[in-house]
Amino acid sequence: GAVVSQHPSWVICKSGTSVKIECRSLDFQATTMFWYRQFPKQSLMLMATSNEGSKATYEQGVEKDKFLINHASLTLSTLTVTSAHPEDSSFYICSASSGSLNEQFFGPGTRLTVL
Amino acid sequence: RKEVEQDPGPFNVPEGATVAFNCTYSNSASQSFFWYRQDCRKEPKLLMSVYSSGNEDGRFTAQLNRASQYISLLIRDSKLSDSATYLCVVNSLGDMRFGAGTRLTVKP
Repeated sequence: GAVVSQHPSWVICKSGTSVKIECRSLDFQATTMFWYRQFPKQSLMLMATSNEGSKATYEQGVEKDKFLINHASLTLSTLTVTSAHPEDSSFYICSASSGSLNEQFFGPGTRLTVL
Repeated sequence: RKEVEQDPGPFNVPEGATVAFNCTYSNSASQSFFWYRQDCRKEPKLLMSVYSSGNEDGRFTAQLNRASQYISLLIRDSKLSDSATYLCVVNSLGDMRFGAGTRLTVKP
């Protein structure tokens, strides 16, 4: 399958700081990238969908000003958690797809801990 | 009603058993379907796509029933390494919806 990388794999930060997570498709062009969050022992929760060159579409209840998404190229999307708080601590996973009906390939995830 | 529903389990089965998972979806316009597996604290990995005619990959068989709006996954001769959470995914023009997952534990 296609390869998607995510960086960093884990991060610990102080409350109030901003954290940037990168998601890259390494061997294909990702027209669409997705950002998910997963709390322990819970299912994946879609946060937003982003298409290259356009604004992300956020799921209901996800604050777009807090979770800034940029999808500037066909191989890179970034998620910035602004003014992070302990309740933002979670496993953030991105995925990438080369077409609207195609399967998604997931990055390895980023474990965020906010102190 | 959730868009994609799965029995959360857990399913605890002995090695060699056959186990089946079902998943129902609410959007009749859904176009593509997948099963993913997720190991603890890891990202989901694509297990197989699900085609209208049904498809098989080794010990795994996936079926789609559009009329009843459900998909299924059958695992034969289960192995210890099959222990994971199995996620049903339904795609409607790029709007991917995940089920909450069914947890499987295969025991010796």
